[in-house]
Amino acid sequence: NAGVMQNPRHLVRRRGQEARLRCSPMKGHSHVYWYRQLPEEGLKFMVYLQKENIIDESGMPKERFSAEFPKEGPSILRIQQVVRGDSAAYFCASSLYQGREGQPQHFGDGTRLSIL
Amino acid sequence: SQKIEQNSEALNIQEGKTATLTCNYTNYSPAYLQWYRQDPGRGPVFLLLIRENEKEKRKERLKVTFDTTLKQSLFHITASQPADSATYLCALPNRDDKIIFGKGTRLHILP
Repeated sequence: NAGVMQNPRHLVRRRGQEARLRCSPMKGHSHVYWYRQLPEEGLKFMVYLQKENIIDESGMPKERFSAEFPKEGPSILRIQQVVRGDSAAYFCASSLYQGREGQPQHFGDGTRLSIL
Repeated sequence: SQKIEQNSEALNIQEGKTATLTCNYTNYSPAYLQWYRQDPGRGPVFLLLIRENEKEKRKERLKVTFDTTLKQSLFHITASQPADSATYLCALPNRDDKIIFGKGTRLHILP
C-alpha cells in the first residue's frame, strides 16, 4: 500500500550539473503533478502529466526544466545546468483522476535540492 | 487570477482549546476548497474537502466551513493536542481546474 515515492530525498549538485528527480505515483494513479516549494512560500505548480503526455506545463520555466511520465517507470523532473536559484524542495503528487470533482492529491515527501 | 490568503503568522493555541485557521480567496468562488496538513520535511497530507454548496464539513475533531459571501473558509480543530502542531494549507481550483495552494499557517499547540 505504498504512497507516492520520491527519490532521492536529498540531492546536492554543483552549478552547471544536471538534477534528475524521480516520482512513482500511488498504485493505480495516472495523474502526476510536480510542485516547487521555497521556505516560507506556498507550493508552486510546475507541471501536470498523464502517462506519456504533458497536459499542462504552464508553471515550468521555459529553459533547463523538463518533465516526463513514460509508459513504464517513474515520472522524472529534469533540471539541466542547475543554478543556485534552483535550490528548493520539489514535491510530486498523484491523483486517481483530474477534473472538477475535487479529487485530493497524494503527495510524496519531496526531494530537497541543494545547489553548491 | 485567484489569490489565497492565509495568516502568515504562527498561531499558538493552548492544548485542549479550539484552534481556528482562516483561508480567504480574492476572486470568484471555487467549486470546492481543500485543506491539507504539512509537517516539517514531509509532503502535504489531504484532510478535508468542502464543496460550494456545503456550509460545513466535519471529520472527527476537524470542522471546515465555507462562506461564499465572505469568500472565506475556516478550519477548526477542537480539543487540540500537541500532535496537531503543523502547517495547514488551504487549496482550491483556479479557473482552469489547476489546484493552487496558500502559503499555509503554522499552528503550535502548547502543552
